[in-house]
Amino acid sequence: AQTVTQSQPEMSVQEAETVTLSCTYDTSENNYYLFWYKQPPSRQMILVIRQEAYKQQNATENRFSVNFQKAAKSFSLKISDSQLGDTAMYFCAFSLNSGNTPLVFGKGTRLSVIA
Amino acid sequence: EPEVTQTPSHQVTQMGQEVILRCVPISNHLYFYWYRQILGQKVEFLVSFYNNEISEKSEIFDDQFSVERPDGSNFTLKIRSTKLEDSAMYFCASSEAESTEAFFGQGTRLTVV
Repeated sequence: AQTVTQSQPEMSVQEAETVTLSCTYDTSENNYYLFWYKQPPSRQMILVIRQEAYKQQNATENRFSVNFQKAAKSFSLKISDSQLGDTAMYFCAFSLNSGNTPLVFGKGTRLSVIA
Repeated sequence: EPEVTQTPSHQVTQMGQEVILRCVPISNHLYFYWYRQILGQKVEFLVSFYNNEISEKSEIFDDQFSVERPDGSNFTLKIRSTKLEDSAMYFCASSEAESTEAFFGQGTRLTVV
């Protein structure tokens, strides 16, 4: 079974600064996807960024980028130039690359961006 | 922009009652999911649905739960006899194809009293 671990329950960052959220996962599979989802106070789950395991290049989406270390099974999220609107719960998630397999989520990291 | 919509946003029900949570997935999506999130905890998978049948379900999804796509647009989750521990946020999600991004609805907060 796959597991996802987020070891930082809460983090805070000053506006305009950079913050990195950690995520590790465990799987014996070789083909899979990794995701970061954002859950603001509105509660909706919003996809931030996605990484295919077969791609060595780290995914980037505007101010959001990941550091994907497949051998270490690590998938951290870096948020640059943090904005107040980035305040949210961030969930790391894993999905196998076969069929409509479900997402396995970590417990989340609550990020507060401070003005 | 297309989105997954869920109704109601909040439902309060008495223990033992049946509830139906409704979702309208994105129209060209073929794969549908229900997840739940107990307050303060992580999001957990309940069930996935494709081609009018359940394709995978978790241990949480016991005989009290059922899903249905009654009319080609709605996707419902029924809990037959609610328990206090069913209180949670329930998220519907859909995806266009296998292994593509799942789009989530805004959730239904279910409170069982």
